[in-house]
Amino acid sequence: SAVISQKPSRDICQRGTSLTIQCQVDSQVTMMFWYRQQPGQSLTLIATANQGSEATYESGFVIDKFPISRPNLTFSTLTVSNMSPEDSSIYLCSVEDVFFWESSNYGYTFGSGTRLTVV
Amino acid sequence: AQTVTQSQPEMSVQEAETVTLSCTYDTSENNYYLFWYKQPPSRQMILVIRQEAYKQQNATENRFSVNFQKAAKSFSLKISDSQLGDTAMYFCAFETGFSEPSIRQGAQKLVFGQGTRLTINP
Repeated sequence: SAVISQKPSRDICQRGTSLTIQCQVDSQVTMMFWYRQQPGQSLTLIATANQGSEATYESGFVIDKFPISRPNLTFSTLTVSNMSPEDSSIYLCSVEDVFFWESSNYGYTFGSGTRLTVV
Repeated sequence: AQTVTQSQPEMSVQEAETVTLSCTYDTSENNYYLFWYKQPPSRQMILVIRQEAYKQQNATENRFSVNFQKAAKSFSLKISDSQLGDTAMYFCAFETGFSEPSIRQGAQKLVFGQGTRLTINP
């Protein structure tokens, strides 16, 4: 299955600043997904990133707050801009992947997540 | 809109016991896939099992199996012979975006349930 390197693993940031999170995949993928997991909550999709086009954002998320870059088929960044304490969450990237199991052949692999704390 | 509901916020069983986690979903789609993911304290999301809605046979992967009831929109996960390493948050997830039962229109977003915190006690 794919290996995703996500950086940084954690950070503590001052309010009003920005943080850029990187995801590097060891294989070429068409689409990359960015999720947010607020403390004690489930995962919510922020946006879908295609190489060579603008990201598609879910309701409640805007490009000015969460700009995304997708310069090639193995890399993407998510920036959390003008941060406030409400942005404290785990941010995860995800890609479609192939799993050679008895009952399935694909799923989604996730990065290890970035734990962001805004103070 | 699709929604996924996990009605058990927390569960706890003894090692080697069997445990079943519940998941229901709501959709008007006929073609979709369902997943169970586990998230241990390391926060890494790990795929446990997947079920295609067009398949009547329940998916099985080693100690993990599902009970998929399409008419009832129910997708429960059974963990047999539970182990200490099974301790984690478990998320049920739903994926649509299929024109035909087995023809996906590329990678799609996942809609997740709220999660069930499972603790396996020694």
